[in-house]
Amino acid sequence: GAGVSQSPRYKVAKRGQDVALRCDPISGHVSLFWYQQALGQGPEFLTYFQNEAQLDKSGLPSDRFFAERPEGSVSTLKIQRTQQEDSAVYLCASRKRGTNEKLFFGSGTQLSVL
Amino acid sequence: DAKTTQPTSMDCAEGRAANLPCNHSTISGNEYVYWYRQIHSQGPQYIIHGLKNNETNEMASLIITEDRKSSTLILPHATLRDTAVYYCIVRGVLTGGGNKLTFGTGTQLKVEL
Repeated sequence: GAGVSQSPRYKVAKRGQDVALRCDPISGHVSLFWYQQALGQGPEFLTYFQNEAQLDKSGLPSDRFFAERPEGSVSTLKIQRTQQEDSAVYLCASRKRGTNEKLFFGSGTQLSVL
Repeated sequence: DAKTTQPTSMDCAEGRAANLPCNHSTISGNEYVYWYRQIHSQGPQYIIHGLKNNETNEMASLIITEDRKSSTLILPHATLRDTAVYYCIVRGVLTGGGNKLTFGTGTQLKVEL
């Protein structure tokens, strides 16, 4: 498909487990963003990549959160030792090149930590 | 980025125009107004953006007041599929972080028969 693809769609983890969430951006898109969306809230910025470089990680809530995009395309968001407060929808978005270009979002991964 | 204020919720009859207001009284001269919407269980979707002139595309129209302190998103003929949360976002040209978007809580628009 031509859109941003995220997997898995749903993830249930026991507290303390590590999880990895995958994002396949639109082919050729230079910029990639991760957002976290708690129930009833708007999406909150986590981190930003331009190609393989992580240029902003100011939104990552703790050092348990780690993101990478080693070849400048697919990205993985990893959460170590998950906690209940990590339960949320994790959204990935990509953008072509220009900073005024629109963002294309995936449908997200809904993470539930029990 | 300037803060925005939107009503929590609005209702609209199908086939009528939906007018969604947004206040951004602290907007500065180089900041754009963006609108995204989020249908249940989907990611946000871009609708439209503008700087100071009114804009129109196939989805909606954006009316920005002359002083730029507020704007209105207009869906000319709302349908049931337009039921969603609508986010008004103000963003500068060079705000760092890849010009990330800062979402608020938006307006829940419910289109009814």
